[in-house]
This record gives sequence, structure tokens and C-alpha cells, in this order.
Amino acid sequence: GAVVSQHPSRVICKSGTSVKIECRSLDFQATTMFWYRQFPKQSLMLMATSNEGSKATYEQGVEKDKFLINHASLTLSTLTVTSAHPEDSSFYICSASVGVAGGPGGELFFGEGSRLTVL
Amino acid sequence: EDKVVQSPLSLVVHEGDTVTLNCSYEVTNFRSLLWYKQEKKAPTFLFMLTSSGIEKKSGRLSSILDKKELFSILNITATQTGDSAVYLCAVTFGNEKLTFGTGTRLTIIP
Repeated sequence: GAVVSQHPSRVICKSGTSVKIECRSLDFQATTMFWYRQFPKQSLMLMATSNEGSKATYEQGVEKDKFLINHASLTLSTLTVTSAHPEDSSFYICSASVGVAGGPGGELFFGEGSRLTVL
Repeated sequence: EDKVVQSPLSLVVHEGDTVTLNCSYEVTNFRSLLWYKQEKKAPTFLFMLTSSGIEKKSGRLSSILDKKELFSILNITATQTGDSAVYLCAVTFGNEKLTFGTGTRLTIIP
């Protein structure tokens, strides 16, 4: 199946610093990627939809100035958590679809996730 | 408001048992329903269902969708300890976004 690579898998930072997480589709082009956040023992919550070559679409309640998303190419999307605080500590997961998600052959493939701990 | 509800929230069974996990949804403009298995890291894809009544199988796992009653089930037969995981159901609502259910935490006791 399609491979989505996410990096770093784990990051620890001090409060107030910014952290960048990369999501790459390794063997296919993804015009759209998705960023999720998952708190312990909870389900995945969609944060934003990353569109190649245009601005990301953020879900209600997600601060776009805090969670900067850049989708500069068909294989790379980045999420930058700016001025991170302890409450931003979470598991961040990206995903991309080979086709249109939900359509024939359009199942999503997920990265391995990035665990962010803000001290 | 679109929502996806899974039940039970957690389930503990003995190895060899058969389990049925449920996913119901309320949605406008339903497109597809997907099942994922999540162990320690990111979810891994199991099934995508778009049509009612057509069972999808993969080894001991199978799933079916009922678009009239707005639910899906995931069956696992002859469970093994490696089946212990959180099983996530997600639905797409006419766009590319997935809305996930709360998940069912399945624990298989040897």
C-alpha cells in the first residue's frame, strides 16, 4: 500500500519554542493531506486540510496562527506548532489519500505520528 | 451535526472468541465508511465500505454496511492476542474529510 512518512516521531521542546512536523507521501502524489490530533485514549480529531499550492482549511476551533500548515509540494506537508505550550502536548498524525478520500480507491494512509511534549 | 458513534467503548474477551464492533452515524451526504486498527501508533487501514449489504473480508476480519439503518459492523472471528487494539470507524460526508468515532478498545486475554 501507499506509504506516508512523518518526522520526527517524537519531540520534546521548551514552552515558547516552535516545532515543525513533516509529512511526506513517499510513493504517490497527494494534492490533499490531513492533520489530526489525538489526546490519550481519545479518537482522532481533524485539525486542518492541507491543500497543495493553496491555504490550508482549518476546522472550527483550531487556531490557524498557532498551527501553521504549509503544503509546498505534492509530496510534502508541514505542520508548525508556534510558541508551543504544555497544553499543545499531543499526538499529531498526518494522512494522505491516493485518490479522493472516501471514493473508490481513495482510502487514507496515515503517517506514524509525532508525539509532541512541551515542557 | 454530523457524528459517528462506536460501541462498545471497550471490550475484553478471551482468545478464540468472536467479537462484533458497532459503528453508527448521522450524516448528510454520506460517501463512505472506513475501519482502521490503531495499536501504538498511527491507524492502519482495514476496510472501506460504500455500498449496503456487500460484505468485505480479510482473513478473520469482515465488515458490512447498512446505509438504510446508518450503521456498520466489524466482525473478528477466532480472536488472537494480536487483535488487541483500538478499532476506529470513520465516515466521509461528501468531501474528503474523515470524521472519526470514539473508537472501541479491544483487549484479547490469552
